[in-house]
Amino acid sequence: DVKVTQSSRYLVKRTGEKVFLECVQDMDHENMFWYRQDPGLGLRLIYFSYDVKMKEKGDIPEGYSVSREKKERFSLILESASTNQTSMYLCASRLGSMNTEAFFGQGTRLTVV
Amino acid sequence: GQNIDQPTEMTATEGAIVQINCTYQTSGFNGLFWYQQHAGEAPTFLSYNVLDGLEEKGRFSSFLSRSKGYSYLLLKELQMKDSASYLCAVKIKNTDKLIFGTGTRLQVFP
Repeated sequence: DVKVTQSSRYLVKRTGEKVFLECVQDMDHENMFWYRQDPGLGLRLIYFSYDVKMKEKGDIPEGYSVSREKKERFSLILESASTNQTSMYLCASRLGSMNTEAFFGQGTRLTVV
Repeated sequence: GQNIDQPTEMTATEGAIVQINCTYQTSGFNGLFWYQQHAGEAPTFLSYNVLDGLEEKGRFSSFLSRSKGYSYLLLKELQMKDSASYLCAVKIKNTDKLIFGTGTRLQVFP
């Protein structure tokens, strides 16, 4: 079974802190994604990566950056956390160049106070 | 821009049939996915359509019309465990982007 693991289920951080959300997949997938999920807004794409060291902005990249140094790991970085970044963050991975489904991690519920 | 629309909420009765619609207007199209998400859990894959027509998978079927920018998910013989959110997602042509709609929360009553 494909496994996508996010490092934390719940996080509480203070405004202005630098926050790292980690995601690891074990199926050698090329593509990895970070979404945030908010009530009434659905899943919104923050950033995605189609290969190691390759990244593209999604629909809402402001206030975030990403890192993909190794194929299995995709990190989301909040440079200076703000209260409006309180959300559920979901990581996903899928095989590239094929129309295969994405597999999701369990999500990280981040609260910024 | 990308626009994917779904109804926000639907209700249905155990044993019934329900159809969840999804319309999309995107800059290129290369397939449509349906996911199920139970409260507090990760989305899980249900179905995929890239050509027009109906794909059947047990109690769940998904339909696509590319010319109309329209898809639906059909759930038959509803069970209480089908109470969940159903997410429609479009793969954008010539990229690896997957864009999601806002999701439809389905409640199944006895």
